[in-house]
Amino acid sequence: EVQLVQSGAEVRKPGAAVKISCKVSGYIFIDHYIHWVQQAPGKGLKWMGLVDPEDGKGIYAETFQGRVTMTADRSTDTAYMELTRLTSDDTAVYYCTTARSGGGLEILMYYWGQGTLVSVSS
Amino acid sequence: NFLLTQPHSVSESPGKTVTISCTRSIGSVASNHVQWYKQRPGSSPTTVIYEDNQRPSGVPDRFSGSIDSSSNSASLTISGLKTEDEADYYCQSYDGSNHYVFGSGTKVTVL
Repeated sequence: EVQLVQSGAEVRKPGAAVKISCKVSGYIFIDHYIHWVQQAPGKGLKWMGLVDPEDGKGIYAETFQGRVTMTADRSTDTAYMELTRLTSDDTAVYYCTTARSGGGLEILMYYWGQGTLVSVSS
Repeated sequence: NFLLTQPHSVSESPGKTVTISCTRSIGSVASNHVQWYKQRPGSSPTTVIYEDNQRPSGVPDRFSGSIDSSSNSASLTISGLKTEDEADYYCQSYDGSNHYVFGSGTKVTVL
């Protein structure tokens, strides 16, 4: 059974940074990208970027470029998303998600973590 | 980058059919697959359609997807509407440089 288990809720002050983890199990970690998605309260889903666990390279949405770093630790099958220079606009639930594959098919963003709430307040 | 625009909300009675559109602003909707996700309050999204019109196992055949190049749009149709279909629905696609975009989201209300 594929599982993505995220770290717990965080509270930060404006200007600080936060680093969220996403531990995967049930599949070969390097087989699929890990994507990160932001959802502010009452708002829609926003793609932040992805990390390729095989080589550690990240691709980031323009909105977050320069403030976000996505990494992958192959020794622990864990992906990380660090967001810096936080503002109140970054108060949101953050999800990690990955593909499902098998039988010749691949379904993007099929498995999702439970979400991590980050609250930014002075 | 491109945008995916959806209607803010749709509503219909049980047993009826609703169709949600997803219009791509730049580039052809046919050039990259479209996925559709369902999200209930407090829960993570789940896939209802992948690769434009494919249903994952476990998704009822009341859900169908299509694309229309003439309007540069994708559509999600839910037929035989049930109360359990009430949720937010998001389309999603990507471009050639591995950048992904979600649609603005549509709230489906079952009257």
